[in-house]
Amino acid sequence: AQKVTQAQTEISVVEKEDVTLDCVYETRDTTYYLFWYKQPPSGELVFLIRRNSFDEQNEISGRYSWNFQKSTSSFNFTITASQVVDSAVYFCALSTYQTGANNLFFGTGTRLTVIP
Amino acid sequence: GAGVSQSPRYKVAKRGQDVALRCDPISGHVSLFWYQQALGQGPEFLTYFQNEAQLDKSGLPSDRFFAERPEGSVSTLKIQRTQQEDSAVYLCASSLGVGGLVQYFGPGTRLTVL
Repeated sequence: AQKVTQAQTEISVVEKEDVTLDCVYETRDTTYYLFWYKQPPSGELVFLIRRNSFDEQNEISGRYSWNFQKSTSSFNFTITASQVVDSAVYFCALSTYQTGANNLFFGTGTRLTVIP
Repeated sequence: GAGVSQSPRYKVAKRGQDVALRCDPISGHVSLFWYQQALGQGPEFLTYFQNEAQLDKSGLPSDRFFAERPEGSVSTLKIQRTQQEDSAVYLCASSLGVGGLVQYFGPGTRLTVL
């Protein structure tokens, strides 16, 4: 069975602070993909990043960075120097090959509020 | 169009009514997914199409839910005899191929059943 846990329900930070969103996943498959999506107040899910299970290299994209650690089954997301526009719900998701559809299994999301 | 579009954006139905939700995926995308998102929760998988074939409908909550994609492009999710527990946002996503590719989501249809 596949499972994604986002233990942080809500986080509030003051603008320009750094913030890390945690994601822990469970799967028995050796081939899988991990994703982060952003859901702003408008409601549309916006793709941020995709990593496969064979690539543990951390990634940085502007103020965003991701730390993938298979040893702890975690795929954490850090926003550096947060901005008000970062306020949204962030979802971590898992996709594997075992499910024929390769559908996404989502966590329950972390609501980030950046206070000006 | 440039992205996935869904219509209507909002739908209010009286309990017992049938509703139809439409999804226009990104042109050329082979895979199409439907998800249901309850308030305060993450999206949950409903069904999957590869072109016109419905390969997985394991997430459909009851036989009142039916989806089709007859020509391999536009898809319709139909809910018969709506119940209050069907109130949710219904999200459609498409991806270029199969196998763990990025899924691009539409804006969703917010269904409220009174």
